[in-house]
Amino acid sequence: DQQVKQNSPSLSVQEGRISILNCDYTNSMFDYFLWYKKYPAEGPTFLISISSIKDKNEDGRFTVFLNKSAKHLSLHIVPSQPGDSAVYFCAATRSGSARQLTFGSGTQLTVLP
Amino acid sequence: KAGVTQTPRYLIKTRGQQVTLSCSPISGHRSVSWYQQTPGQGLQFLFEYFSETQRNKGNFPGRFSGRQFSNSRSEMNVSTLELGDSALYLCASSLSGGTNTEAFFGQGTRLTVV
Repeated sequence: DQQVKQNSPSLSVQEGRISILNCDYTNSMFDYFLWYKKYPAEGPTFLISISSIKDKNEDGRFTVFLNKSAKHLSLHIVPSQPGDSAVYFCAATRSGSARQLTFGSGTQLTVLP
Repeated sequence: KAGVTQTPRYLIKTRGQQVTLSCSPISGHRSVSWYQQTPGQGLQFLFEYFSETQRNKGNFPGRFSGRQFSNSRSEMNVSTLELGDSALYLCASSLSGGTNTEAFFGQGTRLTVV
């Protein structure tokens, strides 16, 4: 049973436009969410996180939105740049879980110049 | 500040052998987690160590084990290797082990079992 789902395996966006990556979760015990970017043969790089007590968190070009009632979060990248092309993973965890992250299957973002 | 260091980067082993992978966390980080990434299963949690104690374990067979040393460095061991163990093994470190701190990943060890 997949507790964290990224239903879009791929997304293509024009440079300068907004990229929106989506993530759904089923476990209502999750209360902390993270987004990671990953290039081939490298480890994931932390991008941004959000606690369940918030509904939005911004860091530069990256904004994460959390809709707890819908168990849905999204990552917005504005403006998108070719260097943003990578696989993006959504991850979730719960208080007291000792850093056990549950990952989605990832979305390959391609930003076209 | 040095990041998470995993050694070796690449490894080829034969079925039935055992392997040990090493992870040095970011200085000051006491929590180390291990993950396996495969094309079919994605990124899956193996186990987490904090202050030399295993605090949580994922759904993997007992052939997968680990340990953490007093300097927070961690090793994971896989015994009786199977072809399906071929994967990218990732180590992540975090500051205190609390949930609201980010986990930073190393570049991984690519294990190929032949």
